[in-house]
Amino acid sequence: EDQVTQSPEALRLQEGESSSLNCSYTVSGLRGLFWYRQDPGKGPEFLFTLYSAGEEKEKERLKATLTKKESFLHITAPKPEDSATYLCAVLKGSARQLTFGSGTQLTVLP
Amino acid sequence: DTGVSQDPRHKITKRGQNVTFRCDPISEHNRLYWYRQTLGQGPEFLTYFQNEAQLEKSRLLSDRFSAERPKGSFSTLEIQRTEQGDSAMYLCASNIRTGRDEQYFGPGTRLTVT
Repeated sequence: EDQVTQSPEALRLQEGESSSLNCSYTVSGLRGLFWYRQDPGKGPEFLFTLYSAGEEKEKERLKATLTKKESFLHITAPKPEDSATYLCAVLKGSARQLTFGSGTQLTVLP
Repeated sequence: DTGVSQDPRHKITKRGQNVTFRCDPISEHNRLYWYRQTLGQGPEFLTYFQNEAQLEKSRLLSDRFSAERPKGSFSTLEIQRTEQGDSAMYLCASNIRTGRDEQYFGPGTRLTVT
């Protein structure tokens, strides 16, 4: 059965303390992996799409990487405004719907 | 480019009542999706439209749920005879058939069934 697992469930960082969030997947025929940010009470906001192992994408303090089994979201020198839940999702084969993990709730303390 | 909009943002209803939610996708997006999200979980797929055709439905979509997308523009999701287990955030997303797979989400409708 296809699975998307995110770890840790929650992460508290001091401002400026870099870290990584993990998304591991067991999906046959992966077509793409997506990262979203979700603030409380709001819909997910698209961040990155990764299509092949070795691919990297960057945006401000965030960098996403992809291997054949997992993806990492690296956060460099985070700020309090980076506090949010980060969701990972996969798209497989000819399917159109995304399969999401449960997310990592990130809190950055000033 | 205005984003995906959803209405209402919040809905409180009593068990057994019917509710209807509306989603307006990004203009020119021909694909529209409905997801449901409960606290502490990621969104779960419910159904998908390409233009006005409903092409896929999840097993989560019981016969109390129905979705439409007349004329391939806005979409509605109706839940009949609501149950407490229907309490969740209902999210709508859209994208366009151009080889870009990312989906853009609306703000969601928070449903509370009392």
